[in-house]
Amino acid sequence: QKEVEQNSGPLSVPEGAIASLNCTYSDRGSQSFFWYRQYSGKSPELIMFIYSNGDKEDGRFTAQLNKASQYVSLLIRDSQPSDSATYLCAVNPNDYKLSFGAGTTVTVRA
Amino acid sequence: DADVTQTPRNRITKTGKRIMLECSQTKGHDRMYWYRQDPGLGLRLIYYSFDVKDINKGEISDGYSVSRQAQAKFSLSLESAIPNQTALYFCATSDPETGSLPDTQYFGPGTRLTVL
Repeated sequence: QKEVEQNSGPLSVPEGAIASLNCTYSDRGSQSFFWYRQYSGKSPELIMFIYSNGDKEDGRFTAQLNKASQYVSLLIRDSQPSDSATYLCAVNPNDYKLSFGAGTTVTVRA
Repeated sequence: DADVTQTPRNRITKTGKRIMLECSQTKGHDRMYWYRQDPGLGLRLIYYSFDVKDINKGEISDGYSVSRQAQAKFSLSLESAIPNQTALYFCATSDPETGSLPDTQYFGPGTRLTVL
């Protein structure tokens, strides 16, 4: 079982819609969770992190965490063509290590 | 100027050659990391360093070595490159003492390495 699993996509959504990305992780002791955005050929860019159960909102992005279900999600509201990218879920199971999912590719169609 | 820089940005080499990838940062972070990224596999940790005297292997260190020349510089070497080391390589930095929780990693622009 992979430490962090994401649907690879591609996830295609119309402009203005909500994109919903899911991530599950295997290490129940994981404490912090990150979402990175990566444009093709570019480096991962931090969108937001979350470490408490519940929702965390930052602009058009909302991260949701459910530690009991070992599940973290990212919602992108009012999706824009500039949101077209690969979204990486990363989990911090200990002090130093980040375990990454393979990423979900999102395409926002105009 | 970028906080984390990597050189070279692109490199094509031949099997058996020794290659060094360099990473420099101006963020003042103590922790530095090297990852490789392959399609469909995500980012995998090669080596990490918590300070100049503390270097540790990651999950895929075989065939690689590193050097932490200073707080700001962390180099990755491929002693004898092989084709399956063709990948995108990223350096990252973090500093758990910046006050922001949790320890957050910031990535350099990457080096695209092709081994023929």
